Amino acid sequence: EPEVTQTPSHQVTQMGQEVILRCVPISNHLYFYWYRQILGQKVEFLVSFYNNEISEKSEIFDDQFSVERPDGSNFTLKIRSTKLEDSAMYFCATQADRAGVNYGYTFGSGTRLTVV
Amino acid sequence: AQTVTQSQPEMSVQEAETVTLSCTYDTSESNYYLFWYKQPPSRQMILVIRQEAYKQQNATENRFSVNFQKAAKSFSLKISDSQLGDTAMYFCAFMRGGANSKLTFGKGITLSVRP
Repeated sequence: EPEVTQTPSHQVTQMGQEVILRCVPISNHLYFYWYRQILGQKVEFLVSFYNNEISEKSEIFDDQFSVERPDGSNFTLKIRSTKLEDSAMYFCATQADRAGVNYGYTFGSGTRLTVV
Repeated sequence: AQTVTQSQPEMSVQEAETVTLSCTYDTSESNYYLFWYKQPPSRQMILVIRQEAYKQQNATENRFSVNFQKAAKSFSLKISDSQLGDTAMYFCAFMRGGANSKLTFGKGITLSVRP
């Protein structure tokens, strides 16, 4: 079964440093998402991306965050200057376009980001 | 805006027994989907079951089934013949119809299956 691949699985970074989280979507999927889960809390939407543009973003997704798909394969989430409260599990998810029928997402296995 | 409420933070069930996890939601959308996701200790998000709002028939996937009450905006998950591997966090989630829609999650419920 096709998978969404996320790298790295765990990253530790110093506060104030930039981090880039990477996701390789399933090849025929067109819609891409990032979600965040702070330990023990619910999963929160960050951003959706389609046709090389942001479709929707949440209040969490401020100027410190950016997304891009520079080479047509990797879908990346960049945090410019990390804060302690950015420590969380970050999930990439992708979705196919199936004639208006919504089968839900395929999630990656997540990147655990620890800011120290 | 949509909201998803899971009011039970934890539940426990004996192996081989049946357990029901509750979820309610609020929306003004007429076209939407509801999901249950399982998150084991590995923290992977695994789709358990999916329900289209326009379908009256409750979805089933092997030991997992839902009780979808559209008028009451209720979407509970029933796990039959519980297994130790069912121990996990379970999230109820809402998505409006159409592609490129975000998922709105509930807070989740921790299910423990006792041997």
